[in-house]
Formats: sequence, C-alpha cells, structure tokens
Amino acid sequence: GENVEQHPSTLSVQEGDSAVIKCTYSDSASNYFPWYKQELGKGPQLIIDIRSNVGEKKDQRIAVTLNKTAKHFSLHITETQPEDSAVYFCAASGQTGANNLFFGTGTRLTVIP
Amino acid sequence: ETGVTQTPRHLVMGMTNKKSLKCEQHLGHNAMYWYKQSAKKPLELMFVYSLEERVENNSVPSRFSPECPNSSHLFLHLHTLQPEDSALYLCASSQGAVQGGDYGYTFGSGTRLTVV
Repeated sequence: GENVEQHPSTLSVQEGDSAVIKCTYSDSASNYFPWYKQELGKGPQLIIDIRSNVGEKKDQRIAVTLNKTAKHFSLHITETQPEDSAVYFCAASGQTGANNLFFGTGTRLTVIP
Repeated sequence: ETGVTQTPRHLVMGMTNKKSLKCEQHLGHNAMYWYKQSAKKPLELMFVYSLEERVENNSVPSRFSPECPNSSHLFLHLHTLQPEDSALYLCASSQGAVQGGDYGYTFGSGTRLTVV
C-alpha cells in the first residue's frame, strides 16, 4: 500500500517568516494530495489540496507544490502568524477501491511572536 | 463546530466495559470513515463505509465493531478493549468513496478514549 513520509516532525519559525513542510509518497498511482491542519482539541481540517495534473496551487499565504517524478509534495506558508501554530498532516490517495487517504506522521509548527 | 459531530468528546472505560462512539454528519456526504490517532503515529484508517455499506476493514481487531445505519450516522462499538487502544478516534465523511476518488475529508473533533 501507500507509504507517506513527512518532515520535519517539529518546526519553529519567527512570526513573518516562511515555513516549509515536505512529504514523500511511494505509490506512483496516487493522484490526490490534501493537507490538513489540526489545532488542539479539534479534528484535522482541510486547508489546501492538489491533484496530479497540477504542479502548484496557491491560496493566499498557503501554497502546495507537487513533483510527480520525484514523488514528493510540499506545503509552503508565507508570512506566518501565531494562529498558524498547529499540527499539519499531508496525505496521499490510495488505490484500494475506496476513497482512502494515507497520512504522514504530522509536523508540529510553532510560530514565535 | 464542523459539519461532523462526534460524541462523547472524552470516554474512560474499563477493559471489561462495552461502550459506543457516535458520529453524525449533515453535509450530504455518502462516505464515512473511522480513524485512530495515536501519539507519534500516522492516522490509521480503521473502517470505510460507502452508501451505508462497509467497503474496507483495515485488519481491525474484532473488539471494534462499526455500524452504519444510514448515510448520516456512524457508530463504533467497543468491548473488551486493551490499554493500547487508548487514542483519539476520529470520524470523517466525504462526498465520494469510489476508486480513484479524490474528495477531501471533513473530520469531527474526535473522541479521546482512555482504557484503564
């Protein structure tokens, strides 16, 4: 099955700086790559996603890039703010028949005011 | 509050107890999922239901028993659990659950389960 690796596990940045989180996946047939943000006491929330026919997607301060050849994708957050502090998960779609997502282990982002 | 509601938020149970987790969605989605979230581990898929039929059982022990009476409700029945089953149990729903589907999930806030 699909194996998703995520780095780093923790990341601290100064407010206003950029943050980058990277993920790799193993199944070349995966074609959907969402990113989720999980705040304390809440479930993960979808913040941006990208499909395999697109190399980059941007939504205000958040962008995601995808390199299908290398099987990696990244989340970029610019002009970070304290409210960006959370755990971020990447995921990749599987091929097991249902709409299964395989998740990375998460990155705890801390934005220092 | 998201469109997916989970109850209870917290549950402490003994190893001989029987309890149930409940999940409800009002998003018109037709697929629902149970995930287990443990510290320092990836989210683990447990069960997938599409149009109220189970389409995936990801090698979950029989002490976990799901039930999906309709497309808006999902239950996870628990009995004779072990301490290592302590975790955050997340329910999610999505618009579709077909092969190659790529619809994002909406998660609930989870039930924090502690087995003593």
